Amino acid sequence: EIVLTQSPATLSLSPGERATLSCGASQSLSSSYLAWYQHKAGQAPRLLIYGASSRATGIPDRFSGSGSGTDFTLTISRLEPEDFAVYFCLQYGTSPLTFGGGTKVEIK
Amino acid sequence: EVQLVESGGGLVKPGGSLRLSCAGSGFTFSNAWMNWVRQAPEKGLEWVGRIKSKANGGTTDYAAPVKGRFTISRDDSKNTAYLQMNSLKTEDTAMYYCTTGWYLDYWGQGILVTVSS
Repeated sequence: EIVLTQSPATLSLSPGERATLSCGASQSLSSSYLAWYQHKAGQAPRLLIYGASSRATGIPDRFSGSGSGTDFTLTISRLEPEDFAVYFCLQYGTSPLTFGGGTKVEIK
Repeated sequence: EVQLVESGGGLVKPGGSLRLSCAGSGFTFSNAWMNWVRQAPEKGLEWVGRIKSKANGGTTDYAAPVKGRFTISRDDSKNTAYLQMNSLKTEDTAMYYCTTGWYLDYWGQGILVTVSS
């Protein structure tokens, strides 16, 4: 199975700062079948990005995804208070689907 | 508005069985691939398995830890997907989410399953 490794595990930033989250794959992902999710405690995860760089419906443009092959990045251009959460990446091109371990974006 | 509502969770003893249901609305259920994802306490998300739409063969795929013990099915007439869990282990304790689509675009609120003696 494809292993996804997210870094860093925790990112401590202030509102207004830029957040850069990484997701590395153990093998090249076919056609960039990578998605990003935001997860807050007690809530359902929310799809942010699919196809490595396409924003899901209703997602603000401060969220952007990039990358291909084995290296992918989620960037939040300016952190809003509601953006502090855990972020997961998912590869969905090969079964079994696999998630990264998550990056917690916390308030500094 | 897309809604997914899970039900059927609870406390079960090791070796027992439980069936979760996921009722969908606000989309064409019969066209949707339905997935189950779980999150154990203090752990990350883990994909459990999926069932494709009948138009795509209605086939199922499972993660290795649940293969042979869990079965996903669907009843398109009831807009409902199911997760039958047999031979449950303590490590199956988790919040279980149902999600739609190839890249898990919509999620339910989740249902708690606790496996404990």
